[in-house]
Amino acid sequence: DADVTQTPRNRITKTGKRIMLECSQTKGHDRMYWYRQDPGLGLQLIYYSFDVKDINKGEISDGYSVSRQAQAKFSLSLESAIPNQTALYFCATSDYTSGTDTQYFGPGTRLTVL
Amino acid sequence: SQKIEQNSEALNIQEGKTATLTCNYTNYSPAYLQWYRQDPGRGPVFLLLIRENEKEKRKERLKVTFDTTLKQSLFHITASQPADSATYLCALAVGSNYQLIWGAGTKLIIKP
Repeated sequence: DADVTQTPRNRITKTGKRIMLECSQTKGHDRMYWYRQDPGLGLQLIYYSFDVKDINKGEISDGYSVSRQAQAKFSLSLESAIPNQTALYFCATSDYTSGTDTQYFGPGTRLTVL
Repeated sequence: SQKIEQNSEALNIQEGKTATLTCNYTNYSPAYLQWYRQDPGRGPVFLLLIRENEKEKRKERLKVTFDTTLKQSLFHITASQPADSATYLCALAVGSNYQLIWGAGTKLIIKP
């Protein structure tokens, strides 16, 4: 089984709809991240969480919100989706106690907003 | 301004040759730098990490160098194979929390 899972894998929705993307991990890591990736651009950090009670905005948090329901679960919500949020979304985890912040990624969610 | 630059154009290499990818950065002082591989439609996968006080790291056919004076890392794949074809991302660890800042990646194509 995959260590980091994301659901759904693909989603097509309409402008104005509320969308939730979910991420679960079995690696036991404290840190979790949400990124978006657009063609030709690097990964852009949306939100990150260092533990259940510590959630921080990334560089592009506007229009997004997150919830860390447990150490293993971190969900991303688009309250009112807009077309320029069409992108590939990745969840990642890391174990800071290892001395580095090596990140482990889920398979991604391809989101299309019409 | 702060930025990370990787070759935006795809790099075409003949099988068996050495592929060299570049990661340049400005106005960062990274504690370490990481390289990841990303295949189409998949999440990045960690390959190598090199710290600011290290000049070179090797892992099998992979070699990474890190020059903090030039603000550059080079990523080498020796004896390249078609299976090495992918996009390679560099990421800098910066700040007190070692947050990763990502380059856009270079697409590598190994031709048989």
